[in-house]
Amino acid sequence: SQTIHQWPATLVQPVGSPLSLECTVEGTSNPNLYWYRQAAGRGLQLLFYSVGIGQISSEVPQNLSASRPQDRQFILSSKKLLLSDSGFYLCAWSVGTGYQPQHFGDGTRLSIL
Amino acid sequence: SQQGEEDPQALSIQEGENATMNCSYKTSINNLQWYRQNSGRGLVHLILIRSNEREKHSGRLRVTLDTSKKSSSLLITASRAADTASYFCATDRSGNQFYFGTGTSLTVIP
Repeated sequence: SQTIHQWPATLVQPVGSPLSLECTVEGTSNPNLYWYRQAAGRGLQLLFYSVGIGQISSEVPQNLSASRPQDRQFILSSKKLLLSDSGFYLCAWSVGTGYQPQHFGDGTRLSIL
Repeated sequence: SQQGEEDPQALSIQEGENATMNCSYKTSINNLQWYRQNSGRGLVHLILIRSNEREKHSGRLRVTLDTSKKSSSLLITASRAADTASYFCATDRSGNQFYFGTGTSLTVIP
């Protein structure tokens, strides 16, 4: 069966520090991968989307970046965090077309101090 | 901007009652999905309804879709305390991407 792992579960970082969040998927090949951010009490904002290794689409201008070094690995990074980067970050995967559901990790709660 | 908007924002009911949540969207869709999110966790897919379908059932869940009104509803029958969660609708956009609404927070009181 397919599984998705996202870590860490919680992270507290000072303003200006770097960030690296990792997401890996097991049990499937060539998945579509997604990074979302969810502000408190809000819906999900799509940050990045990838259909294959090295192929990243960015949805909103920001100081975050994403990389996909392996087929089932998706990394969210920042060189210098801002206070506004605080939030709940979710990784998800899907296969095939838009008629397929997305499967989410358990998220990372990021707090910037 | 987000495509789907759920209504109401919050809903509180007694265990055993039915819960109805609504989702409205703005542009034409191919399909609409409903997800559930327990506090502090990721989203879990509940049900997908295609644009040519009007109603779909899965266990205690019933989803309807009215493309003429650009709206969908999620009905949870005989609610349980374990149904307490936030519920989101998601509408497809280009490729394999979706717009997620802001969610309905459901509280089921034992």
